[in-house]
Amino acid sequence: AQSVSQHNHHVILSEAASLELGCNYSYGGTVNLFWYVQYPGQHLQLLLKYFSGDPLVKGIKGFEAEFIKSKFSFNLRKPSVQWSDTAEYFCALQTGANNLFFGTGTRLTVIP
Amino acid sequence: NAGVTQTPKFQVLKTGQSMTLQCAQDMNHNSMYWYRQDPGMGLRLIYYSASEGTTDKGEVPNGYNVSRLNKREFSLRLESAAPSQTSVYFCASQRERAEKLFFGSGTQLSVL
Repeated sequence: AQSVSQHNHHVILSEAASLELGCNYSYGGTVNLFWYVQYPGQHLQLLLKYFSGDPLVKGIKGFEAEFIKSKFSFNLRKPSVQWSDTAEYFCALQTGANNLFFGTGTRLTVIP
Repeated sequence: NAGVTQTPKFQVLKTGQSMTLQCAQDMNHNSMYWYRQDPGMGLRLIYYSASEGTTDKGEVPNGYNVSRLNKREFSLRLESAAPSQTSVYFCASQRERAEKLFFGSGTQLSVL
């Protein structure tokens, strides 16, 4: 069965620090991968997605992610975080059956 | 353009009561999803419908039923509510696989 793992539950960074949030998935077939962000009291918003092609995907707000098929990973990165990036981040996996699974989320706190 | 409309926004039930959560989208999307969000557990897929006329179980279907009434509407029913079903429920829709999910505003459900 497919699954998504986010091992970092809570990450605390100072402003301007670099960010990398881990996401690993378990599925043997073709996958589509997403990163969503949820700001306090708001809906989930799409940051970026991988469908096919270039494994380095750039998203909104300066975020990027790299799909490494051999490692079953899709880690999210940002070179320099801001206080406004404080939110919860969710990695998600979609398979050919169209079911779309989310990881348990990583809470990011950025200290000014 | 309303997007995904979910009702009600809040609901309190007693154990054993039944209720239906309604979801409708006006974007002509093919796929629709029901998730529950609990602290520390991310979003867990309850049921999904890849297209009109089809429904499939997700990760946590027990205690729920769904109905894809037509392309627009996808309802979630709790036949006999239990305290473990206290959660925030989100409906989402997606035009095609690998595209962005559009979320409803959520239903905060408490089962006493």
